[in-house]
Amino acid sequence: QVQLQQWGAGLLTPSETLSLTCAAHGASFSDYNWSWVRQPPGKGLEWIGEINHSGSTNYNPSLKSRLTISVDTSKKQFSLKLSSVTAADTAVYYCARNPFYYDRDGHYSAYFDYWGQGTLVTVSS
Amino acid sequence: IVMTQSPGTLSLSPGERAALSCRASQTVSSHLAWYQQKPGQAPRLLIYSASSRATGIPPRFSGSGSGTEFTLTISSLQSEDFAVYYCQQYKDWPRTFGQGTKVEIK
Repeated sequence: QVQLQQWGAGLLTPSETLSLTCAAHGASFSDYNWSWVRQPPGKGLEWIGEINHSGSTNYNPSLKSRLTISVDTSKKQFSLKLSSVTAADTAVYYCARNPFYYDRDGHYSAYFDYWGQGTLVTVSS
Repeated sequence: IVMTQSPGTLSLSPGERAALSCRASQTVSSHLAWYQQKPGQAPRLLIYSASSRATGIPPRFSGSGSGTEFTLTISSLQSEDFAVYYCQQYKDWPRTFGQGTKVEIK
């Protein structure tokens, strides 16, 4: 049974760094990509970025300058760091698993089939 | 790629058929997924590759379309189906979601 368990600080002041970690249980870590998605209160979903087991990343350009996603394959964990947060970064943050799809050019991360429980991160002075 | 869902809200009664639309600003081929989200919960994958049901999803949920136009159909709404539904493309980066369609009880 695949489970994603996430944790991290829920209350930040502006300019601090948001830090979250997600552990993947019951999954082959190297066979998937691993993503972060956020959802501001009452709003829709925004993809933040993804990482594979070897540390290769893809980031949302809107967050790229402040974003670091890292992986610890030995622990089956991946982490999110978002620097210089503002109130606009207040959201529920989810970790998620990405299966791959394959075409003639290679394989690429696809949809999100398992999700963490979500962590509400509030940025307030 | 901008994903646009319509309508914003769908008011229906249990037992009725729901048809939710998702349009992409450029072709995403069949690289389209649908999710259901209930209040306080993480999204749940319903459909991937535009028309394949995810594990454990009942057959009343079906997806269709390719290119830029997609539809999620719920053949007969059950009480547990009233929720918000999102489409998502995975043809290009950044991965993007539609703004959601809320299916509410009429």
